[in-house]
Amino acid sequence: AQSVAQPEDQVNVAEGNPLTVKCTYSVSGNPYLFWYVQYPNRGLQFLLKYITGDNLVKGSYGFEAEFNKSQTSFHLKKPSALVSDSALYFCAVRDRRDDKIIFGKGTRLHILP
Amino acid sequence: DTEVTQTPKHLVMGMTNKKSLKCEQHMGHRAMYWYKQKAKKPPELMFVYSYEKLSINESVPSRFSPECPNSSLLNLHLHALQPEDSALYLCASSQDPKAGERSNEQFFGPGTRLTVL
Repeated sequence: AQSVAQPEDQVNVAEGNPLTVKCTYSVSGNPYLFWYVQYPNRGLQFLLKYITGDNLVKGSYGFEAEFNKSQTSFHLKKPSALVSDSALYFCAVRDRRDDKIIFGKGTRLHILP
Repeated sequence: DTEVTQTPKHLVMGMTNKKSLKCEQHMGHRAMYWYKQKAKKPPELMFVYSYEKLSINESVPSRFSPECPNSSLLNLHLHALQPEDSALYLCASSQDPKAGERSNEQFFGPGTRLTVL
């Protein structure tokens, strides 16, 4: 069965510092991997995805993620955090043979001014 | 138009009421989804429609009844709900869901916050 783990409930980062939000996955075969962000009382917004090819994926708002097959990880990164990046971040995985998408439990990112 | 709209934004209903949630998109997407999200939790998949046909029902109780009248609209009919059904209900859509093209990201609506008294 496929699963996604986000080991940190909350990550605190000072504004201007680099940030990392961790995600590991378990799925048979080659997955599609996604990051979404959710602001309070809003739906989820797509940030980026990994399909195939280059392991470093660039997305919206300066975010990027690195796919590491050997470690089954897809960590979200940003070189310089903004206060406006404070939100709830979800990693998600989709098996290429399935219509279902599985979300991690979410990581609350708090950027300190 | 790159938006998924949901109505109403808020809904309060009693356990004997019948109500419906509506979702609409005009991006030509052929896959549409209903999710339930409790506070501080990830979205939980309820239903998936692919080309207006129900393709996944995640063992959702029959008091939730989905309907996809056409490729742009998705409804969720509610009847005899329980207080524990109170949650944010999210609709999403994605492009052509043909086999081998499941790499498409989902576009989410803002949700309907449902309270069952």
